[in-house]
Amino acid sequence: SYVLTQPPSVSVAPGQTARITCGGNNIGSKSVHWYQQKPGQAPVLVVYDDSDRPSGIPERFSGSNSGNTATLTISRVEAGDEADYYCQVWDSSSDRVVFGGGTKLTVL
Amino acid sequence: QVQLVQSGAEVKKPGASVKVSCKASGYTFTSYGISWVRQAPGQGLEWMGWISAYNGNTNYAQKLQGRVTMTTDTSTSTAYMELRSLRSDDTAVYYCARAGNPSLAVANNWFDPWGQGTLVTVSS
Repeated sequence: SYVLTQPPSVSVAPGQTARITCGGNNIGSKSVHWYQQKPGQAPVLVVYDDSDRPSGIPERFSGSNSGNTATLTISRVEAGDEADYYCQVWDSSSDRVVFGGGTKLTVL
Repeated sequence: QVQLVQSGAEVKKPGASVKVSCKASGYTFTSYGISWVRQAPGQGLEWMGWISAYNGNTNYAQKLQGRVTMTTDTSTSTAYMELRSLRSDDTAVYYCARAGNPSLAVANNWFDPWGQGTLVTVSS
């Protein structure tokens, strides 16, 4: 079955850039979506189709996808960005949705 | 605005069943599929399955095949998820989430928005 690997945690100082990776075999051939989840809240879509942003999501959030790694980049990080972030793809070989294990972003 | 409102928390005994509802508003219900995703305490997200609100077609996670049933009621714009033969490891927050792209089935689709979540606790 298809596995998505995310680092358990990423730490960054306010105003700096956070990069959260999502690794998978030839993930560059898939569409990757990213969600932000704050404690006690439902997930919120922040990037879809590798690099598109839903309305209402700041331009500070961007995505890229190539080879075996997809990346969510958060520029000019703010305290309010502190959350868990999950990547998601569709695995056509098993006909199922796959989520990464999640990355906890800490703003120092 | 597009909104999904789920039913309240449930406490069930092992072996029982639970049925969670998800009422949609703010869009044409039959134009978008609905997925169900659960999250055990302190854990990540687990996709459970998907249902087309247009024709009722379903796609369930293999792990839950035979225990889960997803349905919709188009007259009330409500989706339902029933899980049977509950075990302690089914304790989780259960989310419904609308498909992001009405032109796609579950494949390659994303989830936006999500319901607020329903806590299901399985305990003797």
